[in-house]
Amino acid sequence: DAKTTQPPSMDCAEGRAANLPCNHSTISGNEYVYWYRQIHSQGPQYIIHGLKNNETNEMASLIITEDRKSSTLILPHATLRDTAVYYCIVRVDTASKLTFGTGTRLQVTL
Amino acid sequence: GEEVAQTPKHLVRGEGQKAKLYCAPIKGHSYVFWYQQVLKNEFKFLISFQNENVFDETGMPKERFSAKCLPNSPCSLEIQATKLEDSAVYFCASSQFRGQGAYEQYFGPGTRLTVT
Repeated sequence: DAKTTQPPSMDCAEGRAANLPCNHSTISGNEYVYWYRQIHSQGPQYIIHGLKNNETNEMASLIITEDRKSSTLILPHATLRDTAVYYCIVRVDTASKLTFGTGTRLQVTL
Repeated sequence: GEEVAQTPKHLVRGEGQKAKLYCAPIKGHSYVFWYQQVLKNEFKFLISFQNENVFDETGMPKERFSAKCLPNSPCSLEIQATKLEDSAVYFCASSQFRGQGAYEQYFGPGTRLTVT
Protein backbone atom coordinates (compact mmCIF):
# COMPACT_ATOMS: atom_id res chain seq x y z
CA ASP A 1 0.00 0.00 0.00
CA ALA A 2 1.19 3.51 -0.80
CA LYS A 3 2.65 5.67 1.94
CA THR A 4 0.85 8.83 3.04
CA THR A 5 2.13 12.08 4.55
CA GLN A 6 0.01 14.24 6.86
CA PRO A 7 0.80 17.27 9.03
CA PRO A 8 1.21 16.20 12.67
CA SER A 9 -1.29 18.68 14.05
CA MET A 10 -3.85 21.34 13.10
CA ASP A 11 -6.18 23.70 14.93
CA CYS A 12 -9.66 24.75 13.86
CA ALA A 13 -12.21 27.10 15.42
CA GLU A 14 -15.58 25.57 16.23
CA GLY A 15 -18.11 26.18 13.47
CA ARG A 16 -15.45 26.67 10.81
CA ALA A 17 -14.50 24.17 8.13
CA ALA A 18 -11.59 21.90 8.95
CA ASN A 19 -9.49 21.02 5.90
CA LEU A 20 -7.09 18.14 6.51
CA PRO A 21 -4.52 17.50 3.75
CA CYS A 22 -2.89 14.22 2.80
CA ASN A 23 -0.13 13.52 0.29
CA HIS A 24 0.00 10.14 -1.41
CA SER A 25 2.26 10.73 -4.38
CA THR A 26 3.00 7.03 -4.97
CA ILE A 27 -0.64 5.93 -5.08
CA SER A 28 -1.43 3.26 -7.66
CA GLY A 29 -4.34 3.30 -10.07
CA ASN A 30 -6.31 0.72 -8.14
CA GLU A 31 -5.76 2.19 -4.66
CA TYR A 32 -8.49 4.02 -2.79
CA VAL A 33 -8.05 6.86 -0.29
CA TYR A 34 -9.65 6.09 3.09
CA TRP A 35 -10.04 8.37 6.10
CA TYR A 36 -10.49 7.19 9.67
CA ARG A 37 -10.33 9.06 12.97
CA GLN A 38 -9.63 8.09 16.56
CA ILE A 39 -11.32 10.16 19.22
CA HIS A 40 -9.37 10.00 22.46
CA SER A 41 -8.60 6.29 22.98
CA GLN A 42 -11.70 4.90 21.29
CA GLY A 43 -11.56 2.51 18.36
CA PRO A 44 -10.87 4.14 14.99
CA GLN A 45 -13.99 5.34 13.20
CA TYR A 46 -14.48 5.10 9.44
CA ILE A 47 -15.24 8.49 7.85
CA ILE A 48 -15.17 8.28 4.07
CA HIS A 49 -13.30 6.84 1.12
CA GLY A 50 -12.91 7.47 -2.61
CA LEU A 51 -11.05 6.45 -5.76
CA LYS A 52 -10.87 9.50 -8.01
CA ASN A 53 -14.15 11.38 -7.77
CA ASN A 54 -14.95 13.71 -4.93
CA GLU A 55 -17.17 12.09 -2.32
CA THR A 56 -19.53 13.43 0.34
CA ASN A 57 -21.43 11.78 3.13
CA GLU A 58 -23.11 12.90 6.33
CA MET A 59 -19.78 13.25 8.13
CA ALA A 60 -17.41 14.84 5.63
CA SER A 61 -16.33 15.54 2.07
CA LEU A 62 -13.30 14.09 0.33
CA ILE A 63 -11.60 16.04 -2.43
CA ILE A 64 -9.04 14.10 -4.51
CA THR A 65 -6.80 15.97 -6.95
CA GLU A 66 -6.96 15.06 -10.61
CA ASP A 67 -3.54 13.39 -10.53
CA ARG A 68 -4.63 11.57 -7.32
CA LYS A 69 -1.37 12.46 -5.58
CA SER A 70 -3.09 14.30 -2.77
CA SER A 71 -6.46 14.68 -1.11
CA THR A 72 -8.25 16.82 1.45
CA LEU A 73 -10.77 15.76 4.04
CA ILE A 74 -13.25 18.53 4.80
CA LEU A 75 -15.34 18.69 7.96
CA PRO A 76 -17.72 21.49 6.95
CA HIS A 77 -18.65 22.78 10.44
CA ALA A 78 -16.21 21.45 13.00
CA THR A 79 -17.41 20.92 16.57
CA LEU A 80 -15.51 20.16 19.75
CA ARG A 81 -16.48 16.50 19.29
CA ASP A 82 -14.43 16.40 16.09
CA THR A 83 -11.22 16.76 18.11
CA ALA A 84 -9.37 13.57 17.20
CA VAL A 85 -6.44 12.06 15.32
CA TYR A 86 -7.31 11.74 11.64
CA TYR A 87 -5.67 9.05 9.53
CA CYS A 88 -5.40 9.05 5.75
CA ILE A 89 -4.82 5.53 4.39
CA VAL A 90 -4.45 4.33 0.83
CA ARG A 91 -5.20 0.72 0.01
CA VAL A 92 -6.44 -1.56 -2.68
CA ASP A 93 -10.13 -1.93 -1.96
CA THR A 94 -10.15 -5.49 -0.79
CA ALA A 95 -10.45 -7.11 2.59
CA SER A 96 -6.84 -6.20 3.28
CA LYS A 97 -5.41 -4.75 6.49
CA LEU A 98 -5.31 -1.02 7.20
CA THR A 99 -1.84 0.48 7.48
CA PHE A 100 -2.05 3.48 9.78
CA GLY A 101 0.53 6.26 9.71
CA THR A 102 0.92 8.83 12.46
CA GLY A 103 -2.10 10.89 11.39
CA THR A 104 -3.04 14.53 12.04
CA ARG A 105 -4.13 15.56 15.50
CA LEU A 106 -7.00 18.03 14.96
CA GLN A 107 -7.82 20.30 17.89
CA VAL A 108 -11.13 22.12 17.61
CA THR A 109 -11.33 25.15 19.89
CA LEU A 110 -14.04 27.56 21.01
CA GLY B 1 -25.21 -6.94 16.66
CA GLU B 2 -24.52 -3.63 15.00
CA GLU B 3 -21.30 -2.95 16.88
CA VAL B 4 -18.08 -4.84 17.34
CA ALA B 5 -17.92 -6.02 20.95
CA GLN B 6 -14.67 -6.63 22.79
CA THR B 7 -14.14 -8.13 26.21
CA PRO B 8 -12.74 -7.50 28.67
CA LYS B 9 -12.29 -3.71 28.64
CA HIS B 10 -9.21 -3.95 30.83
CA LEU B 11 -6.94 -6.87 31.60
CA VAL B 12 -3.99 -6.90 33.99
CA ARG B 13 -1.50 -9.75 33.90
CA GLY B 14 1.78 -10.43 35.61
CA GLU B 15 4.71 -11.04 33.32
CA GLY B 16 4.67 -14.66 32.18
CA GLN B 17 0.93 -15.11 32.62
CA LYS B 18 -1.50 -15.88 29.83
CA ALA B 19 -3.90 -13.28 28.44
CA LYS B 20 -6.99 -14.00 26.35
CA LEU B 21 -9.01 -11.32 24.58
CA TYR B 22 -12.37 -11.75 22.85
CA CYS B 23 -14.10 -10.10 19.91
CA ALA B 24 -17.64 -10.47 18.58
CA PRO B 25 -17.83 -9.01 15.05
CA ILE B 26 -20.85 -7.26 13.62
CA LYS B 27 -23.47 -9.83 12.63
CA GLY B 28 -23.07 -10.77 8.99
CA HIS B 29 -19.47 -9.57 8.71
CA SER B 30 -17.17 -12.32 7.54
CA TYR B 31 -13.80 -10.56 8.01
CA VAL B 32 -12.20 -9.98 11.40
CA PHE B 33 -8.99 -8.05 12.06
CA TRP B 34 -6.80 -7.63 15.14
CA TYR B 35 -4.61 -4.55 15.66
CA GLN B 36 -2.27 -3.58 18.49
CA GLN B 37 -1.84 0.07 19.53
CA VAL B 38 1.21 0.40 21.74
CA LEU B 39 1.69 4.16 21.90
CA LYS B 40 -0.98 6.74 21.23
CA ASN B 41 -0.65 6.78 17.45
CA GLU B 42 1.12 3.58 16.48
CA PHE B 43 -1.12 0.83 15.16
CA LYS B 44 0.27 -2.55 14.25
CA PHE B 45 -1.76 -5.09 12.27
CA LEU B 46 -1.61 -8.58 13.77
CA ILE B 47 -3.89 -11.01 11.95
CA SER B 48 -7.13 -11.23 9.97
CA PHE B 49 -9.70 -13.93 9.33
CA GLN B 50 -12.25 -14.69 6.66
CA ASN B 51 -14.87 -16.58 8.62
CA GLU B 52 -12.87 -19.19 10.55
CA ASN B 53 -9.93 -19.21 8.15
CA VAL B 54 -6.76 -17.17 8.62
CA PHE B 55 -6.71 -14.53 5.84
CA ASP B 56 -3.49 -12.68 6.63
CA GLU B 57 -1.15 -13.42 9.52
CA THR B 58 1.85 -11.39 8.40
CA GLY B 59 1.83 -9.21 11.52
CA MET B 60 1.47 -11.96 14.05
CA PRO B 61 4.42 -12.60 16.39
CA LYS B 62 5.07 -16.29 15.82
CA GLU B 63 6.00 -17.48 19.25
CA ARG B 64 3.56 -16.34 21.92
CA PHE B 65 0.53 -15.04 20.03
CA SER B 66 -2.30 -17.14 18.64
CA ALA B 67 -5.80 -16.35 17.41
CA LYS B 68 -8.96 -18.19 16.42
CA CYS B 69 -12.37 -17.46 14.94
CA LEU B 70 -14.62 -20.50 15.39
CA PRO B 71 -18.22 -20.77 14.19
CA ASN B 72 -20.83 -19.52 16.68
CA SER B 73 -18.17 -18.25 19.09
CA PRO B 74 -16.45 -14.92 19.64
CA CYS B 75 -13.03 -14.63 18.01
CA SER B 76 -10.11 -14.75 20.42
CA LEU B 77 -6.55 -13.50 20.64
CA GLU B 78 -4.32 -15.29 23.14
CA ILE B 79 -0.91 -14.29 24.39
CA GLN B 80 1.06 -16.99 26.17
CA ALA B 81 3.69 -15.88 28.68
CA THR B 82 3.03 -12.15 28.42
CA LYS B 83 5.92 -9.69 28.39
CA LEU B 84 6.03 -6.06 29.48
CA GLU B 85 6.16 -4.95 25.82
CA ASP B 86 2.77 -6.61 25.18
CA SER B 87 1.13 -3.81 27.20
CA ALA B 88 -1.10 -2.10 24.65
CA VAL B 89 -4.67 -1.58 23.53
CA TYR B 90 -5.82 -4.40 21.27
CA PHE B 91 -8.50 -3.47 18.74
CA CYS B 92 -10.69 -5.83 16.80
CA ALA B 93 -12.42 -4.75 13.58
CA SER B 94 -14.84 -6.44 11.22
CA SER B 95 -15.83 -5.81 7.62
CA GLN B 96 -17.96 -7.11 4.81
CA PHE B 97 -18.09 -6.50 1.09
CA ARG B 98 -20.77 -3.85 0.50
CA GLY B 99 -20.64 -3.45 -3.26
CA GLN B 100 -18.66 -0.85 -5.24
CA GLY B 101 -15.53 -2.32 -3.70
CA ALA B 102 -16.31 -0.96 -0.24
CA TYR B 103 -14.70 -2.89 2.59
CA GLU B 104 -14.61 -0.33 5.38
CA GLN B 105 -13.65 -1.76 8.74
CA TYR B 106 -15.65 -1.13 11.89
CA PHE B 107 -13.68 -1.14 15.11
CA GLY B 108 -14.53 -2.24 18.61
CA PRO B 109 -13.73 -0.20 21.73
CA GLY B 110 -10.54 -2.15 22.41
CA THR B 111 -9.10 -4.15 25.29
CA ARG B 112 -6.39 -2.45 27.34
CA LEU B 113 -3.81 -5.04 28.40
CA THR B 114 -1.39 -4.06 31.15
CA VAL B 115 1.46 -6.43 31.89
CA THR B 116 3.14 -5.81 35.25
